[in-house]
Amino acid sequence: AQSVTQLGSHVSVSEGALVLLRCNYSSSVPPYLFWYVQYPNQGLQLLLKYTSAATLVKGINGFEAEFKKSETSFHLTKPSAHMSDAAEYFCAVSVSDTGNQFYFGTGTSLTVIP
Amino acid sequence: ETGVTQSPTHLIKTRGQQVTLRCSSQSGHNTVSWYQQALGQGPQFIFQYYREEENGRGNFPPRFSGLQFPNYSSELNVNALELDDSALYLCASSPSQGALTGELFFGEGSRLTVL
Repeated sequence: AQSVTQLGSHVSVSEGALVLLRCNYSSSVPPYLFWYVQYPNQGLQLLLKYTSAATLVKGINGFEAEFKKSETSFHLTKPSAHMSDAAEYFCAVSVSDTGNQFYFGTGTSLTVIP
Repeated sequence: ETGVTQSPTHLIKTRGQQVTLRCSSQSGHNTVSWYQQALGQGPQFIFQYYREEENGRGNFPPRFSGLQFPNYSSELNVNALELDDSALYLCASSPSQGALTGELFFGEGSRLTVL
């Protein structure tokens, strides 16, 4: 069975500080991993994805994530937080190219303090 | 390019009633997935439709059903509504059924409240 755990339902950082949102996955087969962002009253938007190519993945808005198989992790980082980064972030896993089901974590709400 | 649109945006029903939610997929996308997002939770997979056929289903009872039409738009029907069905229902379209693209394009959702 596949699952995703996001540690920390709420994370607060100061503007300009490092953003680190944690995601650990459980999968019996090589996973495809994703980070989505949800702004208030909007749908989810893809930030970045890992699909068995480079382990360090760069996404939109300066975010990146590193796939670490030994740690079963896919943490999301951004060197310098911006006020516009305040949103809900979801990590998701799917387990094959034909996998039609995405398993989402419970989300992390990011607050950026001016 | 028109994105994924869902209707209605908000609705209130009472227990035992039935509801139909609608989704228009993004142009060129042949796959539609439905997710339920309860308050404070991540989206939970309900089912996916690919070329008008159900192509996978999550852990939801049969009273959750769906359709996909030739233009790839889709409906989610829920019968015999229960209080726990109160949630944001998200529709996502994609250009293929696979995860390789990772490109689930989400609508803004339909917020259902069951009283």
